[in-house]
Amino acid sequence: AQTVTQSQPEMSVQEAETVTLSCTYDTSESDYYLFWYKQPPSRQMILVIRQEAYKQQNATENRFSVNFQKAAKSFSLKISDSQLGDAAMYFCAYRSAVNGGSQGNLIFGKGTKLSVKP
Amino acid sequence: DAMVIQNPRYQVTQFGKPVTLSCSQTLNHNVMYWYQQKSSQAPKLLFHYYDKDFNNEADTPDNFQSRRPNTSFCFLDIRSPGLGDAAMYLCATSRGGRDRGLETQYFGPGTRLLVL
Repeated sequence: AQTVTQSQPEMSVQEAETVTLSCTYDTSESDYYLFWYKQPPSRQMILVIRQEAYKQQNATENRFSVNFQKAAKSFSLKISDSQLGDAAMYFCAYRSAVNGGSQGNLIFGKGTKLSVKP
Repeated sequence: DAMVIQNPRYQVTQFGKPVTLSCSQTLNHNVMYWYQQKSSQAPKLLFHYYDKDFNNEADTPDNFQSRRPNTSFCFLDIRSPGLGDAAMYLCATSRGGRDRGLETQYFGPGTRLLVL
């Protein structure tokens, strides 16, 4: 079974600085998808960024980028120029790509709570 | 312009008293999911519907049931809530296209269930 581990329960960053959230996963599959979701306090979870495992190039979405190391099974999230609105719980998630992902489900890590200091 | 709506946001029930949580969506998505998220834990998938096809996770207790009367609505029924069922319940949807694995899941704000 696949597992996702986020080893940092809490992180803190100064506004305008850069922070990296760690995520590792365990799988025997070669094709899969990885995601970072953000859950702000009392608001719904939203997708931040996603990565297809067969793509070597790291995904980037504005201030958010990932460092995907397939051999190491690592998928960290870097937030540049941190803003107060980035304060949230961040979840790393894995999904199998078997049959186009129709049979796999999102497997979440336990999350990292990010605080942003003004 | 809310896309995934969950009612109520907070629900209090008594031990053993059946309770129903509701979810509706304006996205016309084929897939609807129910997750359970306990404090400081990862969201855990309970089941999902692909259109009318119900898919139960192997470790979802029988106490949890679901109904999807139409595309827009999906309900989570807890037949006899126990203290251990107190959690945030998240509803999510996805389009259900050919590349389902890569699709974004759109989450509702959740319903926090308290069992007295």
